[in-house]
Amino acid sequence: GESVGLHLPTLSVQEGDNSIINCAYSNSASDYFIWYKQESGKGPQFIIDIRSNMDKRQGQRVTVLLNKTVKHLSLQIAATQPGDSAVYFCAENNNAGNMLTFGGGTRLMVKP
Amino acid sequence: DTAVSQTPKYLVTQMGNDKSIKCEQNLGHDTMYWYKQDSKKFLKIMFSYNNKELIINETVPNRFSPKSPDKAHLNLHINSLELGDSAVYFCASSQLLAGGPGTDTQYFGPGTRLTVL
Repeated sequence: GESVGLHLPTLSVQEGDNSIINCAYSNSASDYFIWYKQESGKGPQFIIDIRSNMDKRQGQRVTVLLNKTVKHLSLQIAATQPGDSAVYFCAENNNAGNMLTFGGGTRLMVKP
Repeated sequence: DTAVSQTPKYLVTQMGNDKSIKCEQNLGHDTMYWYKQDSKKFLKIMFSYNNKELIINETVPNRFSPKSPDKAHLNLHINSLELGDSAVYFCASSQLLAGGPGTDTQYFGPGTRLTVL
Protein backbone atom coordinates (compact mmCIF):
# COMPACT_ATOMS: atom_id res chain seq x y z
CA GLY A 1 0.00 0.00 0.00
CA GLU A 2 1.41 3.42 -0.95
CA SER A 3 0.41 6.60 0.80
CA VAL A 4 -0.83 9.14 -1.71
CA GLY A 5 -2.33 11.64 0.67
CA LEU A 6 -5.95 11.81 -0.33
CA HIS A 7 -7.28 8.41 0.73
CA LEU A 8 -6.32 5.71 3.20
CA PRO A 9 -5.04 2.59 1.44
CA THR A 10 -5.25 -0.69 3.27
CA LEU A 11 -2.77 -3.52 3.42
CA SER A 12 -4.10 -6.85 4.63
CA VAL A 13 -1.61 -9.53 5.68
CA GLN A 14 -1.73 -12.91 7.35
CA GLU A 15 -0.34 -13.17 10.86
CA GLY A 16 3.26 -14.31 10.68
CA ASP A 17 3.87 -12.90 7.20
CA ASN A 18 6.12 -9.94 6.51
CA SER A 19 4.54 -6.56 5.74
CA ILE A 20 5.87 -3.80 3.54
CA ILE A 21 4.35 -0.34 3.74
CA ASN A 22 5.46 2.22 1.17
CA CYS A 23 5.63 5.97 1.16
CA ALA A 24 6.55 8.46 -1.55
CA TYR A 25 7.85 11.82 -0.37
CA SER A 26 8.08 15.00 -2.37
CA ASN A 27 10.79 17.21 -0.85
CA SER A 28 14.24 16.26 -2.08
CA ALA A 29 15.74 18.58 0.58
CA SER A 30 14.30 16.54 3.46
CA ASP A 31 17.04 14.92 5.50
CA TYR A 32 15.15 13.06 8.21
CA PHE A 33 12.32 10.57 7.91
CA ILE A 34 10.16 8.91 10.52
CA TRP A 35 7.59 6.15 10.65
CA TYR A 36 4.73 6.46 13.11
CA LYS A 37 2.12 3.92 14.16
CA GLN A 38 -1.35 5.08 15.17
CA GLU A 39 -3.66 2.61 16.87
CA SER A 40 -7.37 3.27 17.00
CA GLY A 41 -8.24 6.03 19.46
CA LYS A 42 -4.63 6.89 20.21
CA GLY A 43 -2.02 9.37 19.13
CA PRO A 44 0.79 8.53 16.68
CA GLN A 45 3.66 6.61 18.23
CA PHE A 46 7.26 6.73 16.99
CA ILE A 47 8.50 3.47 15.44
CA ILE A 48 11.77 4.14 13.69
CA ASP A 49 13.62 6.95 11.96
CA ILE A 50 16.34 7.33 9.36
CA ARG A 51 18.56 10.18 8.21
CA SER A 52 19.28 10.86 4.57
CA ASN A 53 22.91 9.73 4.88
CA MET A 54 21.67 6.17 5.38
CA ASP A 55 19.66 3.88 3.14
CA LYS A 56 18.66 1.26 5.68
CA ARG A 57 18.06 1.09 9.39
CA GLN A 58 16.88 -1.83 11.47
CA GLY A 59 14.98 -1.99 14.71
CA GLN A 60 13.23 -4.75 16.53
CA ARG A 61 11.18 -6.55 13.82
CA VAL A 62 11.12 -3.36 11.73
CA THR A 63 13.37 -2.11 8.96
CA VAL A 64 13.19 1.22 7.18
CA LEU A 65 14.58 1.59 3.67
CA LEU A 66 15.26 4.94 2.04
CA ASN A 67 15.75 5.41 -1.69
CA LYS A 68 16.63 9.05 -2.26
CA THR A 69 16.91 8.63 -6.01
CA VAL A 70 13.20 7.97 -6.38
CA LYS A 71 12.18 9.65 -3.11
CA HIS A 72 10.74 6.48 -1.65
CA LEU A 73 10.58 5.22 1.90
CA SER A 74 9.40 1.82 3.06
CA LEU A 75 8.70 0.15 6.38
CA GLN A 76 9.15 -3.59 6.61
CA ILE A 77 7.61 -5.45 9.54
CA ALA A 78 8.82 -9.00 10.08
CA ALA A 79 6.49 -11.73 11.36
CA THR A 80 3.50 -9.41 11.53
CA GLN A 81 1.37 -9.81 14.64
CA PRO A 82 -2.25 -8.79 15.41
CA GLY A 83 -0.88 -6.00 17.61
CA ASP A 84 0.69 -4.46 14.52
CA SER A 85 -2.78 -3.60 13.17
CA ALA A 86 -2.85 0.20 12.97
CA VAL A 87 -2.49 3.13 10.59
CA TYR A 88 1.12 3.79 9.64
CA PHE A 89 2.38 7.22 8.66
CA CYS A 90 5.63 8.29 7.15
CA ALA A 91 6.80 11.81 7.91
CA GLU A 92 9.62 13.98 6.66
CA ASN A 93 11.44 16.63 8.61
CA ASN A 94 13.52 19.37 7.06
CA ASN A 95 16.04 21.85 8.34
CA ALA A 96 13.63 24.76 8.23
CA GLY A 97 12.59 23.79 11.73
CA ASN A 98 11.33 20.71 13.52
CA MET A 99 8.23 20.55 11.39
CA LEU A 100 6.93 17.18 10.32
CA THR A 101 5.02 16.78 7.09
CA PHE A 102 3.00 13.59 7.23
CA GLY A 103 2.03 11.30 4.39
CA GLY A 104 -1.55 10.16 4.04
CA GLY A 105 -1.22 6.93 6.05
CA THR A 106 -1.69 3.24 5.30
CA ARG A 107 -3.97 0.99 7.30
CA LEU A 108 -2.42 -2.39 8.13
CA MET A 109 -4.85 -5.18 8.95
CA VAL A 110 -3.48 -8.44 10.29
CA LYS A 111 -5.61 -11.53 9.80
CA PRO A 112 -5.24 -14.24 12.45
CA ASP B 1 2.95 8.44 34.06
CA THR B 2 1.44 10.00 30.96
CA ALA B 3 4.09 11.87 28.97
CA VAL B 4 1.77 14.13 26.96
CA SER B 5 -1.78 14.58 28.22
CA GLN B 6 -4.73 16.43 26.76
CA THR B 7 -8.12 17.43 28.15
CA PRO B 8 -10.84 16.89 27.32
CA LYS B 9 -10.72 13.67 25.31
CA TYR B 10 -14.07 14.42 23.69
CA LEU B 11 -15.67 17.80 23.08
CA VAL B 12 -19.10 18.25 21.51
CA THR B 13 -20.32 21.79 21.01
CA GLN B 14 -22.55 24.03 18.93
CA MET B 15 -21.41 26.13 16.02
CA GLY B 16 -20.40 29.63 17.10
CA ASN B 17 -19.23 28.64 20.58
CA ASP B 18 -15.74 29.22 22.00
CA LYS B 19 -13.83 26.27 23.44
CA SER B 20 -10.38 25.40 24.77
CA ILE B 21 -8.26 22.26 24.73
CA LYS B 22 -5.46 21.87 27.25
CA CYS B 23 -2.14 20.08 26.82
CA GLU B 24 0.59 19.28 29.30
CA GLN B 25 3.87 17.41 28.89
CA ASN B 26 6.03 16.10 31.73
CA LEU B 27 9.03 15.22 29.56
CA GLY B 28 10.90 18.45 30.14
CA HIS B 29 10.78 19.22 26.42
CA ASP B 30 11.30 22.71 25.07
CA THR B 31 8.99 22.43 22.07
CA MET B 32 5.27 21.75 21.81
CA TYR B 33 2.91 21.43 18.86
CA TRP B 34 -0.71 21.25 17.83
CA TYR B 35 -1.81 19.03 14.95
CA LYS B 36 -5.21 18.57 13.33
CA GLN B 37 -6.27 15.15 11.99
CA ASP B 38 -9.25 15.13 9.68
CA SER B 39 -11.74 12.34 9.02
CA LYS B 40 -9.44 10.85 6.36
CA LYS B 41 -6.67 10.56 8.97
CA PHE B 42 -4.61 13.28 7.33
CA LEU B 43 -2.36 14.89 9.97
CA LYS B 44 -1.32 18.51 9.55
CA ILE B 45 0.69 20.73 11.83
CA MET B 46 -1.03 23.89 13.08
CA PHE B 47 1.41 25.50 15.50
CA SER B 48 4.70 24.92 17.21
CA TYR B 49 6.09 26.68 20.26
CA ASN B 50 9.64 26.67 21.54
CA ASN B 51 10.24 27.88 25.09
CA LYS B 52 6.81 29.54 25.11
CA GLU B 53 7.43 31.39 21.84
CA LEU B 54 5.45 30.82 18.65
CA ILE B 55 7.70 29.34 15.98
CA ILE B 56 5.37 27.94 13.35
CA ASN B 57 1.87 29.03 12.39
CA GLU B 58 0.73 27.03 9.41
CA THR B 59 -1.93 29.29 7.87
CA VAL B 60 -4.42 28.53 10.58
CA PRO B 61 -7.43 30.90 10.86
CA ASN B 62 -6.98 33.46 13.59
CA ARG B 63 -10.00 31.98 15.37
CA PHE B 64 -7.40 29.52 16.68
CA SER B 65 -5.19 31.01 19.37
CA PRO B 66 -2.56 28.90 21.11
CA LYS B 67 -1.33 29.98 24.53
CA SER B 68 1.75 28.70 26.33
CA PRO B 69 1.77 29.80 29.99
CA ASP B 70 4.99 27.82 30.56
CA LYS B 71 7.00 25.41 28.47
CA ALA B 72 5.16 22.39 29.88
CA HIS B 73 1.76 23.62 28.70
CA LEU B 74 0.31 24.58 25.34
CA ASN B 75 -3.41 25.25 25.25
CA LEU B 76 -5.53 25.78 22.16
CA HIS B 77 -8.44 28.20 22.24
CA ILE B 78 -10.89 28.25 19.37
CA ASN B 79 -13.36 31.08 18.84
CA SER B 80 -16.59 30.98 16.83
CA LEU B 81 -16.42 27.28 16.10
CA GLU B 82 -17.39 26.13 12.62
CA LEU B 83 -18.52 22.76 11.29
CA GLY B 84 -15.20 22.34 9.48
CA ASP B 85 -13.33 22.51 12.78
CA SER B 86 -14.61 19.02 13.62
CA ALA B 87 -11.52 16.83 13.80
CA VAL B 88 -9.14 15.16 16.23
CA TYR B 89 -6.58 17.59 17.64
CA PHE B 90 -3.26 16.23 18.81
CA CYS B 91 -0.74 17.91 21.02
CA ALA B 92 2.90 16.80 20.76
CA SER B 93 6.26 17.70 22.26
CA SER B 94 9.92 17.25 21.44
CA GLN B 95 13.22 18.44 22.85
CA LEU B 96 14.68 19.98 19.69
CA LEU B 97 13.07 22.42 17.32
CA ALA B 98 15.57 22.56 14.49
CA GLY B 99 16.81 19.42 12.78
CA GLY B 100 20.17 18.33 14.09
CA PRO B 101 22.33 15.34 14.86
CA GLY B 102 20.11 14.24 17.72
CA THR B 103 16.71 12.68 17.45
CA ASP B 104 13.79 14.94 16.72
CA THR B 105 11.22 12.45 17.92
CA GLN B 106 7.89 13.99 18.74
CA TYR B 107 5.72 12.46 21.41
CA PHE B 108 2.01 12.75 20.80
CA GLY B 109 -0.85 13.06 23.24
CA PRO B 110 -3.95 10.85 23.02
CA GLY B 111 -5.95 13.41 21.04
CA THR B 112 -9.11 15.44 21.58
CA ARG B 113 -12.03 14.62 19.32
CA LEU B 114 -13.91 17.85 18.62
CA THR B 115 -17.39 17.62 17.13
CA VAL B 116 -19.12 20.82 16.09
CA LEU B 117 -22.88 20.53 15.57
